[in-house]
Amino acid sequence: GQNIDQPTEMTATEGAIVQINCTYQTSGFNGLFWYQQHAGEAPTFLSYNVLDGLEEKGRFSSFLSRSKGYSYLLLKELQMKDSASYLCAVRDSNYQLIWGAGTKLIIKP
Amino acid sequence: IAGITQAPTSQILAAGRRMTLRCTQDMRHNAMYWYRQDLGLGLRLIHYSNTAGTTGKGEVPDGYSVSRANTDDFPLTLASAVPSQTSVYFCASSPGLENNEQFFGPGTRLTVL
Repeated sequence: GQNIDQPTEMTATEGAIVQINCTYQTSGFNGLFWYQQHAGEAPTFLSYNVLDGLEEKGRFSSFLSRSKGYSYLLLKELQMKDSASYLCAVRDSNYQLIWGAGTKLIIKP
Repeated sequence: IAGITQAPTSQILAAGRRMTLRCTQDMRHNAMYWYRQDLGLGLRLIHYSNTAGTTGKGEVPDGYSVSRANTDDFPLTLASAVPSQTSVYFCASSPGLENNEQFFGPGTRLTVL
């Protein structure tokens, strides 16, 4: 079967760094995505990885290891507005997105 | 319209009733998707459309139907609603299946009693 695992909830302090992990087992791999979803809102795209390595975009970075079925999202200089759920998704061999349940990130002052 | 819109925002529905959730995008995207999001679960694909005139089944299609008569609109119909269809429904679009980013509508919160 297809499976995406990520922690249910994490807590971090404003100004700090947090790493959200995602492991996956899917039928085929055509890229891994991270989305941000604030409570009661729609998901919005953060990053895309298809090759191994680190992709950096401002305060956010995403890493991929295809051989390990592993990714992480790194958030630096945390701000209160970063309090949200972070969704990991893998595009499978049929080009459909398989989604994890999301990691709720709580930022404390 | 800017982006992708959904209607209604929320709805309470009696079991057995028929309901159509509307989705419209003005980005001229070829691909459109319907997902449901339930607490503790990831987004699950219900149906999708690669281009106008074609549709396909996702992970959880039973009890739902879609149509894609034109590029802009992708309605989702529940023929006879059941309580297990209580969920938040998101419509999304992308330029094509191979494109990296899906753009999501604001969602419809549906409660079936």
